[in-house]
Amino acid sequence: EDKVVQSPLSLVVHEGDTVTLNCSYEVTNFRSLLWYKQEKKAPTFLFMLTSSGIEKKSGRLSSILDKKELFSILNITATQTGDSAVYLCAVDTGGSNYKLTFGKGTLLTVNP
Amino acid sequence: DSGVTQTPKHLITATGQRVTLRCSPRSGDLSVYWYQQSLDQGLQFLIQYYNGEERAKGNILERFSAQQFPDLHSELNLSSLELGDSALYFCASSVGREFGNEQFFGPGTRLTVL
Repeated sequence: EDKVVQSPLSLVVHEGDTVTLNCSYEVTNFRSLLWYKQEKKAPTFLFMLTSSGIEKKSGRLSSILDKKELFSILNITATQTGDSAVYLCAVDTGGSNYKLTFGKGTLLTVNP
Repeated sequence: DSGVTQTPKHLITATGQRVTLRCSPRSGDLSVYWYQQSLDQGLQFLIQYYNGEERAKGNILERFSAQQFPDLHSELNLSSLELGDSALYFCASSVGREFGNEQFFGPGTRLTVL
């Protein structure tokens, strides 16, 4: 059975801190890994990663994938209170049955 | 506003009943995805349709079914409802068929089964 595990489950930091969120996976037929941010409502797409070692960056957020060790990290630098959210990692698997498997998420709270 | 609309916003029903959730994708998007989010299970992918055809299937129960119509809107039918089906149901849409295409999520339908 495909498995995606995120750590930590929750994290509390102060504004300006840098955080690293982890996502490890055990799946068959890996195609890509996706990161989403979910505030009080629906998730919004952050990144898609398919190749090892290539960093994706958007403002203060960046992410990288290690396909040998089967994990990805999401870094947020100079955190702001608006970064408070649940961050979800999902893995897209192919083969005879395409599907998307999500981790349980990391709840990030950024205090002023 | 993502451009994806879902109706109804809230639904309260009883065990054993059947409900239909509706989703209209963003203009131009051919893929529609359905997700279930509950406190204990987290976000779970249910099913994807691309241009009217089922493309991917996740953890969708046999009591649940979905379809995508020629105008590309989609419906998720949930039958023989159980207490454990209470959850937030999201619909998302994207231009292409691959999960890696940016998906735009609707506001969700909150289903409460009493």
